[in-house]
Amino acid sequence: DGGITQSPKYLFRKEGQNVTLSCEQNLNHDAMYWYRQDPGQGLRLIYYSQIVNDFQKGDIAEGYSVSREKKESFPLTVTSAQKNPTAFYLCASNFPNGGADTQYFGPGTRLTVL
Amino acid sequence: GDSVTQMEGPVTLSEEAFLTINCTYTATGYPSLFWYVQYPGEGLQLLLKATKADDKGSNKGFEATYRKETTSFHLEKGSVQVSDSAVYFCARTSNAGGTSYGKLTFGQGTILTVHP
Repeated sequence: DGGITQSPKYLFRKEGQNVTLSCEQNLNHDAMYWYRQDPGQGLRLIYYSQIVNDFQKGDIAEGYSVSREKKESFPLTVTSAQKNPTAFYLCASNFPNGGADTQYFGPGTRLTVL
Repeated sequence: GDSVTQMEGPVTLSEEAFLTINCTYTATGYPSLFWYVQYPGEGLQLLLKATKADDKGSNKGFEATYRKETTSFHLEKGSVQVSDSAVYFCARTSNAGGTSYGKLTFGQGTILTVHP
């Protein structure tokens, strides 16, 4: 089945540690996105990538880093510089041809800093 | 810049009631418009979309019409069910070109709870 997978579903981190969230898609989509969701708020864009080996900062990139070495993979690292990392993280992908290209979402990873 | 505004929630209804969730967007460019639904602990699923003015998106009894004159894309359902309880997000495509192609701007989400 085609889709987007995120792992792990739940992640716990101690303060001062970096942690990497996985996102994989087999939809052959060119573009991938990372969002952060906090209770009572909408989705805020962290980073996005429209093509392999290229990515752009979103609205809240500080304290996060990404890589896009393969088309199907877009891992997100939450660094110790992110002051309030506890949140629900969502990955999405689409074909960004400028039209009505639906973004498809993974199931999310809930990160908790202890 | 691009923005999307949804009616504040939460919305609480009885089963079989009529649902409206308001959504307005900034009138920049010619965006495509979407409604996504999020069930507890899950990612977002596309509910419906519309790509140009006067288009009507529909799915699972939900409908929304792209109204350019009022910059609105209100979500409606004639008879809600308990299983419709979820968070609903309105979104638009980015108006900017270049590396902004494919990006979406989301509203803040509206929590819907349907009681039996």
